[in-house]
Amino acid sequence: NAGVMQNPRHLVRRRGQEARLRCSPMKGHSHVYWYRQLPEEGLKFMVYLQKENIIDESGMPKERFSAEFPKEGPSILRIQQVVRGDSAAYFCASSPLPRQGFYEQYFGPGTRLTVT
Amino acid sequence: KQEVTQIPAALSVPEGENLVLNCSFTDSAIYNLQWFRQDPGKGLTSLLLIQSSQREQTSGRLNASLDKSSGRSTLYIAASQPGDSATYLCAVSGGGTSYGKLTFGQGTILTVHP
Repeated sequence: NAGVMQNPRHLVRRRGQEARLRCSPMKGHSHVYWYRQLPEEGLKFMVYLQKENIIDESGMPKERFSAEFPKEGPSILRIQQVVRGDSAAYFCASSPLPRQGFYEQYFGPGTRLTVT
Repeated sequence: KQEVTQIPAALSVPEGENLVLNCSFTDSAIYNLQWFRQDPGKGLTSLLLIQSSQREQTSGRLNASLDKSSGRSTLYIAASQPGDSATYLCAVSGGGTSYGKLTFGQGTILTVHP
């Protein structure tokens, strides 16, 4: 059973370009979470999705960031018009259907975004 | 707002020592608590998950305890080895947020020297 897959592992974008980060959850997992780790800072929650539905986007910046988890295919975190402050490691996690709060999030290797 | 604090920020010990990492959280209404390990430039590896109704979990040389009422957890590592060197992260779900949202501490950087 393959783990959580993220690609690309490293992404370089110039200011103003778009960045698309992909996450394929573990087989059988229907819930996906995105986190961001800025340099010298801790991991911060961004968004929680299940297929075709956003459950909690309280950690998403108000502008330029969006996320989706379509019925088919990977979850996508999209950053439009990137700025240097977007440079960070972006981690995706997945879990099976939560039952009464018991679930475990499994993390992917991350995508390291560098904005030049 | 849930806040998670980890103490110490860094720890350096000789091989073979037993050690304790501490985690505290401000809102005790959590669903569960998870301990992770992160190696430099890598992703997170889940070590232990404790449900809110549990007091402790064990896996090999690792033992994690949870005192929900006081907002504390400890990760005990027995007979430390150089391969244990990594950043250890504590994260909680709940505490006024959706159960899917993990709130992380800043981590404890552990170095075990031979």
